[in-house]
Amino acid sequence: AQTVTQSQPEMSVQEAETVTLSCTYDTSESDYYLFWYKQPPSRQMILVIRQEAYKQQNATENRFSVNFQKAAKSFSLKISDSQLGDAAMYFCAYRSYSNDMRFGAGTRLTVKP
Amino acid sequence: GAGVSQSPSNKVTEKGKDVELRCDPISGHTALYWYRQSLGQGLEFLIYFQGNSAPDKSGLPSDRFSAERTGGSVSTLTIQRTQQEDSAVYLCASSLVGTSGNQETQYFGPGTRLLVL
Repeated sequence: AQTVTQSQPEMSVQEAETVTLSCTYDTSESDYYLFWYKQPPSRQMILVIRQEAYKQQNATENRFSVNFQKAAKSFSLKISDSQLGDAAMYFCAYRSYSNDMRFGAGTRLTVKP
Repeated sequence: GAGVSQSPSNKVTEKGKDVELRCDPISGHTALYWYRQSLGQGLEFLIYFQGNSAPDKSGLPSDRFSAERTGGSVSTLTIQRTQQEDSAVYLCASSLVGTSGNQETQYFGPGTRLLVL
């Protein structure tokens, strides 16, 4: 079974600085999807970024980018120019082509003014 | 509506009572998931509906949990004889299914916070 591991339960960053959240996963499949979701205190899960495993180019969405290392099964999220509104729980997720979806335990990000 | 909606947003019940949680997916989304999120934890898969196919119930923790999806749209998650360990946030998500049969991105509702006293 696929597993997703987020080794950092909590992270903090100074406003306007850059922070990287780690995620590793275990799979025997060659094709799959990876996601980062953000969950603010409102509980609403919000998609931050998505990566298809067959794409070598790292996905980017404005201040958010990923470092996808397929061989290492690593999928880290970089947040540049951190803003107070970025404070939330961040979940890494894996989805196979059979639509089996697994989430990591989450990383709580604090942004200091 | 524009997004996934869930009701109620909060539910307090007494141990042993039955509860029903509702999810309205995004219109046109044929795939629907239920997850459970315990305090400070990640998401635990419960059940998955896809069109008219038999649901994937492999994540349901016990036979006290069941779910239905009527008309391929609204879904209801029912917990019978609730226990204190059932206290959690229950999240629903929906997505389109592509022509290849793969799901597109899941969009989540705001969740229902269940507290069993």
